[in-house]
Amino acid sequence: NAGVTQTPKFQVLKTGQSMTLQCAQDMNHEYMSWYRQDPGMGLRLIHYSVGAGITDQGEVPNGYNVSRSTTEDFPLRLLSAAPSQTSVYFCASSYRLGYGYTFGSGTRLTVV
Amino acid sequence: GEDVEQSLFLSVREGDSSVINCTYTDSSSTYLYWYKQEPGAGLQLLTYIFSNMDMKQDQRLTVLLNKKDKHLSLRIADTQTGDSAIYFCAESMEYGGATNKLIFGTGTLLAVQP
Repeated sequence: NAGVTQTPKFQVLKTGQSMTLQCAQDMNHEYMSWYRQDPGMGLRLIHYSVGAGITDQGEVPNGYNVSRSTTEDFPLRLLSAAPSQTSVYFCASSYRLGYGYTFGSGTRLTVV
Repeated sequence: GEDVEQSLFLSVREGDSSVINCTYTDSSSTYLYWYKQEPGAGLQLLTYIFSNMDMKQDQRLTVLLNKKDKHLSLRIADTQTGDSAIYFCAESMEYGGATNKLIFGTGTLLAVQP
């Protein structure tokens, strides 16, 4: 099925651990983004990419790294997990600048 | 600043119409969107409207845009229990000179009573 696939769906980490949230899309979209969703804060942009090999920071990039070696994949790395990174993370992709993004089903991350 | 505002909660009876309202800030936004989020799920793009349009209809959904007041609304006709979800308004804003980011409202929880 065409769309945005995120893994894992749930994850619990201890403070200081690192991990990678996976995101893959099979729609040949150039634009991909990571958002986090927190109660009362809406969704905030973490990092984005406008094509393979091109990434940049969003509003809340600290503590996260991204890379885009292929059009399909856009992993998000947590370098040293902190409780403040407890959130639901969404990956999204779009085929055209400014056009509506297709979202994955999310990864619910808890850092203890 | 960036701020998209929505009311937090709306309750309607099954079969009635629902109207969810949103105000946005960036008058240069090209696209405005409505997303639906069911419990434990991702965001589903419901519909969008170009900034040069006043209205868009898509089956049971009607989007109205008042650019002067920066007001966007989503009307759902013949609301069903399956429409119960959180609805997010979002505007697309230029970011970093190379992309657009979506500015989301905090969402409106629509509860449909049978």
